[in-house]
Amino acid sequence: DTGVSQDPRHKITKRGQNVTFRCDPISEHNRLYWYRQTLGQGPEFLTYFQNEAQLEKSRLLSDRFSAERPKGSFSTLEIQRTEQGDSAMYLCASSLASQGGTEAFFGQGTRLTVV
Amino acid sequence: QKEVEQNSGPLSVPEGAIASLNCTYSDRVSQSFFWYRQYSGKSPELIMSIYSNGDKEDGRFTAQLNKASQYVSLLIRDSQPSDSATYLCAVNPWQAGTALIFGKGTTLSVSS
Repeated sequence: DTGVSQDPRHKITKRGQNVTFRCDPISEHNRLYWYRQTLGQGPEFLTYFQNEAQLEKSRLLSDRFSAERPKGSFSTLEIQRTEQGDSAMYLCASSLASQGGTEAFFGQGTRLTVV
Repeated sequence: QKEVEQNSGPLSVPEGAIASLNCTYSDRVSQSFFWYRQYSGKSPELIMSIYSNGDKEDGRFTAQLNKASQYVSLLIRDSQPSDSATYLCAVNPWQAGTALIFGKGTTLSVSS
């Protein structure tokens, strides 16, 4: 499968615990995005990378959230001291930057439940 | 504040009809526009992209863009029950630049 891959697909954690999600983008894609989606809402932008550089981070993103893409390939998103409000679907997408536009393709998502 | 607005619906159409989904955006310099389909519990799937004013057709789908009116739409011809899903409009605020901004989506229900 050459699509975007996310792991795990589901995560249940207790409030206050740390969690880490992984995203493997489409191999030739240089851009990687993290979004969060709650029921009835569209995906909300969190952060994105071009290669290993984190180029943009949402102003709404709590400092409990951190993302890395150390070698410009896979990325991890860590949430520290989870809260019930962090329960959501965490989506990763990747794209190939070009002058013509940036079609982004999503992975299956990681559904986080904080209890 | 860059915004993308969609009517949340639900939009209900009978099988075989044309479904029309609409989206407006606030950032005048936006250059790239996308439609995603999302089935319940699944991730968004890219179905159309459009960059220039006018119409773009792909099978039963037609995307329409009017930059002067800051309006983009998606027409689905010969709607099928399998088209029942939430359709997300997404806008790139800058050409090949920052990340996509999504609307909340329009839920489409096609009845057989």
